Amino acid sequence: DAGVIQSPRHEVTEMGQEVTLRCKLISGHNSLFWYRQTMMRGLELLIYFNNNVPIDDSGMPEDRFSAKMPNASFSTLKIQPSEPRDSAVYFCASSLSRFQETQYFGPGTRLLVL
Amino acid sequence: AQKVTQAQTEISVVEKEDVTLDCVYETRDTTYYLFWYKQPPSGELVFLIRRNSFDEQNEISGRYSWNFQKSTSSFNFTITASQVVDSAVYFCALSELGPGNNRKLIWGLGTSLAVNP
Repeated sequence: DAGVIQSPRHEVTEMGQEVTLRCKLISGHNSLFWYRQTMMRGLELLIYFNNNVPIDDSGMPEDRFSAKMPNASFSTLKIQPSEPRDSAVYFCASSLSRFQETQYFGPGTRLLVL
Repeated sequence: AQKVTQAQTEISVVEKEDVTLDCVYETRDTTYYLFWYKQPPSGELVFLIRRNSFDEQNEISGRYSWNFQKSTSSFNFTITASQVVDSAVYFCALSELGPGNNRKLIWGLGTSLAVNP
């Protein structure tokens, strides 16, 4: 079975540009998590969904960040406008359900904002 | 508040040594889950083990073993006869019950393990 798929794997953009990160969940999984990892702050949970519904977005840094699940298997994380401090590795993870806590991670998107 | 502490920031060992990575947690939940993940230099996060709070039996998987002790709120991870391929950052995590009975993970800051030839 395919694991969590993320695209792009690497993104380099200039400050002020819009960035869209994409994630495809493992088939049959109902919960989706977006994380950001930096050296300074470690692994931070940005937002998570259950059955396409956002449950907790308290980790989203500011209004420049938005996340959606247009369907049960796909999610996007958008940053508009991007800033250099957004440079990080962004991971998405999925789990079978809100009660099944084992999260399986995608390979990550390495974002560099110049 | 829920918390996970991995006091060892970095550990360096020589190949074939045994090494233990410590994880101490705080929670008020009576039912909870603990996890270990591995992040090798390639960057992906790999699930290693999940343990629920009712099961205090130690777990062994090849060279890996885990010691869960509720009395000391610890969930330590031991690698026996370490190998260079074990070099990675290892994260311990605790599940937290959130809104709507949904659970999310509280992460430790990770322990960077270097296994030298």
